[in-house]
Amino acid sequence: ILNVEQSPQSLHVQEGDSTNFTCSFPSSNFYALHWYRWETAKSPEALFVMTLNGDEKKKGQISATLNTKEGYSYLYIKGSQPEDSATYLCASHNAGNMLTFGGGTRLMVKP
Amino acid sequence: DGGITQSPKYLFRKEGQNVTLSCEQNLNHDAMYWYRQDPGQGLRLIYYSQIVNDFQKGDIAEGYSVSREKKESFPLTVTSAQKNPTAFYLCASSMSVPKKPQHFGDGTRLSIL
Repeated sequence: ILNVEQSPQSLHVQEGDSTNFTCSFPSSNFYALHWYRWETAKSPEALFVMTLNGDEKKKGQISATLNTKEGYSYLYIKGSQPEDSATYLCASHNAGNMLTFGGGTRLMVKP
Repeated sequence: DGGITQSPKYLFRKEGQNVTLSCEQNLNHDAMYWYRQDPGQGLRLIYYSQIVNDFQKGDIAEGYSVSREKKESFPLTVTSAQKNPTAFYLCASSMSVPKKPQHFGDGTRLSIL
């Protein structure tokens, strides 16, 4: 079983704050890194799928970077809003395995 | 609209009973997956199927069984051999390439009576 770690486990920020969290994953036999957003009472929704070292992807105020050599990805949220409150999951796809998910970062944005 | 439908939303199991969770997709995806989530933990893979009539064990397959007789359907049976079945179960589907994201259902919460 591969080890995918996310930090922090939870985060409380004020509306308007920018924030970021980390996903670390095995760098060997790497195929892709997925980020999902999971709001309470809804199903997880894909944010990004990243494959190349140095990749940067952006969706609105959310962006992500990827370092496949050292095995980490950062997710950034600029100017957090209450509707950004959710659990953010990352998952690594390495050769010979299906997606392995981290434990998630639970973000709560206070108005 | 295309999507994944899981049913029921809540399910209760008696001791020694098998229960089946339904998962249907109309996204024309080849691959389907079952995950389990326990409090404070990430999603753990139970079983997956990349094509009809074929499926593979995930990390925690013991006490579970699946079938994939149709492309659209991937039911999960929680057998009496699964001693700690209380959890939240998510079904997902995707195209069969690593770069494609998975699409998830709304989940089934299983509890023991």
